[in-house]
Amino acid sequence: EAGVTQFPSHSVIEKGQTVTLRCDPISGHDNLYWYRRVMGKEIKFLLHFVKESKQDESGMPNNRFLAERTGGTYSTLKVQPAELEDSGVYFCASSRNLNTEAFFGQGTRLTVV
Amino acid sequence: AQSVSQHNHHVILSEAASLELGCNYSYGGTVNLFWYVQYPGQHLQLLLKYFSGDPLVKGIKGFEAEFIKSKFSFNLRKPSVQWSDTAEYFCAVNAGGTSYGKLTFGQGTILTVHP
Repeated sequence: EAGVTQFPSHSVIEKGQTVTLRCDPISGHDNLYWYRRVMGKEIKFLLHFVKESKQDESGMPNNRFLAERTGGTYSTLKVQPAELEDSGVYFCASSRNLNTEAFFGQGTRLTVV
Repeated sequence: AQSVSQHNHHVILSEAASLELGCNYSYGGTVNLFWYVQYPGQHLQLLLKYFSGDPLVKGIKGFEAEFIKSKFSFNLRKPSVQWSDTAEYFCAVNAGGTSYGKLTFGQGTILTVHP
């Protein structure tokens, strides 16, 4: 069984540009989560999808971040326009249902210069 | 809101030494507790979890953790570490009643094991 896959593994963009991160969850996992780790800080929850619906987006930092999960399969996280403080590692995780543990991807390291 | 505190940022040990990584959380209600590990260049993996029952839980690779409710703690232990245990370790808490994938993480502890 393939794990959670994230693309790209690294991205370097200039301030003001747009970046789109992608996450492919484990097949059959209805729940998909996005997390972010800013350097030196803890991993923080951003949002949770159940299938294509946003169940909880309480951790989204501001309206420059847009997450989608069309069709309830893969998800994208777009940052537009990117700011320096958006640099960090963005993790995606998925779980089969609400009361099972989450499996994480390798993360996308985003650097905004 | 809950928070998680890991006591050590960086722990350095020699092979065969015993390991204990501290984790305390602040949350008054029911919690589910996890330890995740990230080996260099790899994804976060679940080491062990506690949902209910026996407060001493055993995970993969010889790790175990003990939930002490009165101390709000969930410390990770291993009696004898190996060089391959070099990694970053994360304690995480899930508030009961929410999805188990919605986690509050500690700051992480980097473990370096010298051969």
